[in-house]
Amino acid sequence: NAGVTQTPKFRVLKTGQSMTLLCAQDMNHEYMYWYRQDPGMGLRLIHYSVGEGTTAKGEVPDGYNVSRLKKQNFLLGLESAAPSQTSVYFCASSYATSGRGKDEYFGPGTRLLVL
Amino acid sequence: GQSLEQPSEVTAVEGAIVQINCTYQTSGFYGLSWYQQHDGGAPTFLSYNALDGLEETGRFSSFLSRSDSYGYLLLQELQMKDSASYFCAVRDLEYSTLTFGKGTMLLVSP
Repeated sequence: NAGVTQTPKFRVLKTGQSMTLLCAQDMNHEYMYWYRQDPGMGLRLIHYSVGEGTTAKGEVPDGYNVSRLKKQNFLLGLESAAPSQTSVYFCASSYATSGRGKDEYFGPGTRLLVL
Repeated sequence: GQSLEQPSEVTAVEGAIVQINCTYQTSGFYGLSWYQQHDGGAPTFLSYNALDGLEETGRFSSFLSRSDSYGYLLLQELQMKDSASYFCAVRDLEYSTLTFGKGTMLLVSP
């Protein structure tokens, strides 16, 4: 059981370049999320998905797009990277059931530097 | 919308007890969660309160008072490995997404 994995672990981009971050989970979770974490800002939700083929905007969606073509994968795309998108990106997943809190399981993160 | 406030930093010594507070303003939420994050690592789930009162999990306990819009995480018998950032978070009733506080860095010294 790998849990939640993210690819790549680290990337340097030039302003204007594009890239896709891949998140994969093997826990059969319905929900998946993309967060960014900046110093002193905590974790902020970019986009999320409540099931295969569905996506929704979070708190800071501008400049990002997402796709969930398969239940186990959630892709985050940057079409034209900007220095303001320098951050650590975390993917997470959870079950859809209510109750104990739908604990979210996080991946190890992708560190992105945009020059 | 949701907003959560927690202290930016707390210091304590090994073996001590420390409490990390979280106050919130929400438009409705399922419950209050706590996550731990070691430097550079992935956040990991610690505790969850759906109802008012205390939840205990080993050395960690978490408390929620909905009437006071307040919760806390209590760490007992502190160890050096507890040095980390701790985040409180609420899950939105409408969208079922988590909103996190900005985190509290706990520094445990010998």
